[in-house]
Order: sequence, then structure tokens, then C-alpha cells
Amino acid sequence: EDQVTQSPEALRLQEGESSSLNCSYTVSGLRGLFWYRQDPGKGPEFLFTLYSAGEEKEKERLKATLTKKESFLHITAPKPEDSATYLCAVQARSGGYQKVTFGTGTKLQVIP
Amino acid sequence: ETGVTQTPRHLVMGMTNKKSLKCEQHLGHNAMYWYKQSAKKPLELMFVYNFKEQTENNSVPSRFSPECPNSSHLFLHLHTLQPEDSALYLCASSQGDKLTNSPLHFGNGTRLTVT
Repeated sequence: EDQVTQSPEALRLQEGESSSLNCSYTVSGLRGLFWYRQDPGKGPEFLFTLYSAGEEKEKERLKATLTKKESFLHITAPKPEDSATYLCAVQARSGGYQKVTFGTGTKLQVIP
Repeated sequence: ETGVTQTPRHLVMGMTNKKSLKCEQHLGHNAMYWYKQSAKKPLELMFVYNFKEQTENNSVPSRFSPECPNSSHLFLHLHTLQPEDSALYLCASSQGDKLTNSPLHFGNGTRLTVT
């Protein structure tokens, strides 16, 4: 069974204090690993897809990396507007149609 | 209007009521999904439709009944719900088939409270 574990559950940073969020996964053949951002009262918003170990993607202050067992979302010099819950998800090669397994998320709070 | 739109945003219903959630996507995608999001739990996939055909039903109780009249519209009909069904119900869409890994595009959800 595919599993996704995110840590920490919650993270509080001062503005400008860089840090990383972790996503550990087990999947029977990875087709893709996804990062989403979810603001309160809204649906998840797609950020990145990573396909294979060693791959990296960047968007503004966010950088996502992937190994065979985990992914990191690095946040450089965060701003208060980066406060949100960040969700990680994996899609396996096998299994049903577009079955994506989500983690429970990391709630990030950036304090001015 | 763009993206994925869900209505209503909030819904309070008694256990004996019948109500429906509506989702519409303006992205030209061929697949649509219903997810359930509860506090401290990962998103749970409920149903998947591809070109109006249901391809996944994740052992969802029969009190939840999906309907997909076309590739742009998705409904979730609710009847005789239980208090533990209170959650955020998210609709999503994506492009492609089971061999692709295109990301999901979510609506802002319907916050359902069952009293």
C-alpha cells in the first residue's frame, strides 16, 4: 500500500528564516510526486511535479527536490504570504486510474 | 469563468435531508474527481470519472451518489448522511488517462456539516 508521511506537522518561522519540509514516501513504482499549497478555506493549489530521483524544481522562494525515498520542499527567506498548509502526494505506476495518495500536510506559519 | 467551481461553499443538513453538491470545470479536462478532506487526515479519493464513465469507487457508502452528465459537470448527491460525514468535499479535474501524471486542479470545496 502506498504511504506518504509529512513532517513536521506544523512549523513556525520568522520572516526570512529558511527551512525545509519533509515528505517521506513508499510507493510501488513512482509515476510522479506532487506538491500542493492549501490556504484556509480553499482547495489545494498545484505547485510542482517531480518524476525521478535527483530532479529539482523551483518557483520563487520554493524549491522541491526528490530522492528515492523522500522529497523536500525548501523555503528560502519566507514571507508571511507563504503561510499555508503544504501537501505532498504520490502517484504509483500501477493501480487504478489516477490514484494519488496524499500526506496529511505541514502547516507553515511565517511571522513578520 | 476559469478553473474549477464548486457550489454551495457551505451546507448544513440534517441526517434525513437530501442535498446535492455541484462542480463545474472550465479547463477542458477529461477526468473529474470527488475527494473528502477531514481534519488531521489525508485527502480521501471517493470517485473518479473519465469521459463521463466512472472508473473508481473507493468503497464509498451508498448514501453518497455521484453523477457526471458530461466532462465539465460533476454532482455528488447526498442522502441520510451521518455526523461523521461532516467534512470538506473537494472536486478536482485533470487531463489525460491512467498512463499520465498530470496534476489535479481543485475547486475551493463545499464545507458540509451534518447535524
